[in-house]
Amino acid sequence: EVQLLESGGGLVQPGGSLRLSCAAPGFTLSGYGMSWVRQAPGKGLEWVSIIGTSGHETYYADSVKGRFTTSRDNSKNTLYLYMESLRADDTAVYYCAKGRGGNYPESRTFDYWGQGALVTVSS
Amino acid sequence: IQLTQSPSSLSASVGDRVTITCRASQGISSDLAWYQQKPGKAPELLIYAASTLQSGVPSRFSGSGSGTDFTLTISSLQPEDSATYYCQHLNSFPLTFGGGTKVEIK
Repeated sequence: EVQLLESGGGLVQPGGSLRLSCAAPGFTLSGYGMSWVRQAPGKGLEWVSIIGTSGHETYYADSVKGRFTTSRDNSKNTLYLYMESLRADDTAVYYCAKGRGGNYPESRTFDYWGQGALVTVSS
Repeated sequence: IQLTQSPSSLSASVGDRVTITCRASQGISSDLAWYQQKPGKAPELLIYAASTLQSGVPSRFSGSGSGTDFTLTISSLQPEDSATYYCQHLNSFPLTFGGGTKVEIK
């Protein structure tokens, strides 16, 4: 069973920055595309970003492009989301999600999700 | 690509057949997945490639469609199926989710 464990969430002021991590103890993530998906309180799901297996290929939602950066360290089996210039509408639970495989289309369908990390942007 | 789900909510009895629709703003072949989310929990994958059942998912769930029109069907609704259901396209970036359908048990 794959477990994805997010960490790094918390309260941050508008304009601030935060880094989320997603680890998978006992499972090797390097062969899979990985995404971040967020959910604002009481709202639906919003895809945020995706990173390819090597870490060189990334794509972002328009709402976070230029402010968020996704990266991965396959030697540490960990995924990251660095968020800066945070706004109130970035407040959400952030999930890391594992793709079913390493390439299209499998990388873009999510078969395992973390428990979520709450990010609150408020003064 | 925008995904429009309907209805946004429904209430049905145990044993009922339930159908949820997802319409894409342009053709996406079979690049569609369905997820179930219960309150306070992460989503779970039900269907991928429009009609392939994810391992471990009960066979009362099924998906169909291609192009722009897709459906998720629960053949005999069970109490544990009370949840919100989302479709997601994977055809191109940005990936998007539908607005969700909340299923309640009468």
